[in-house]
Amino acid sequence: EVQLVESGGGLVQPGGSLRLSCAASGFTVVSNYMSWVRQTPEKGLQWVSVIYSGGSPLYADSVKGRFTLSRDNSQNTMYLQMNSLRIDDTAVYYCTKDWHVWGKGTTVTVSS
Amino acid sequence: EIVLTQSPATLSLSPGEGAALSCRASQSVGNSLAWYQQKRGQAPRLLIYDASNRAPGIPARFSGSGSGTDFTLTISSLEPEDFAVYYCQQRSHWWTFGQGTKVEIK
Repeated sequence: EVQLVESGGGLVQPGGSLRLSCAASGFTVVSNYMSWVRQTPEKGLQWVSVIYSGGSPLYADSVKGRFTLSRDNSQNTMYLQMNSLRIDDTAVYYCTKDWHVWGKGTTVTVSS
Repeated sequence: EIVLTQSPATLSLSPGEGAALSCRASQSVGNSLAWYQQKRGQAPRLLIYDASNRAPGIPARFSGSGSGTDFTLTISSLEPEDFAVYYCQQRSHWWTFGQGTKVEIK
């Protein structure tokens, strides 16, 4: 069964860092089109970062230079390293495969 | 950025009734449009991709139509489990989502 499980969310102060993980089963992360999406009540759904199977990550302007997407074949996991976090990065973060399969999400709260 | 405008914001209907949800793009997206259903506390679930293709496992009562700037998600006869929020997403130029239409029980 194809499944995604996010982890790593939590409470962090402005300026801090977090690393989100997206553990995959039933398929190979490095060979697939993957993305991170976040959701807030105020702004709704927003794409954060996207990577095609053989390409480099793409980033939304709002996170460019602060967030880094990577993948680990040995762990079959995708990561989102989030640095210089801001209050408006507070959201539920989802990872997706092909936009077809979504994880349940992990909550990131940036607050002092 | 391509802006997607969904209407209406809320649709109040009874089980068994049909529903038509609209999504309008600020510029042409071809047929690169998807629809998602989201229930409270859950992740979005893909219903339709490329404007009119049902995702695997999606019941036939869900259908998508349109191209260019105007798209419609039609639910032919609402089941109790269909009351949820529906989002459209364009994949033509980067990726953006509409603000959602809530389908609630009348």
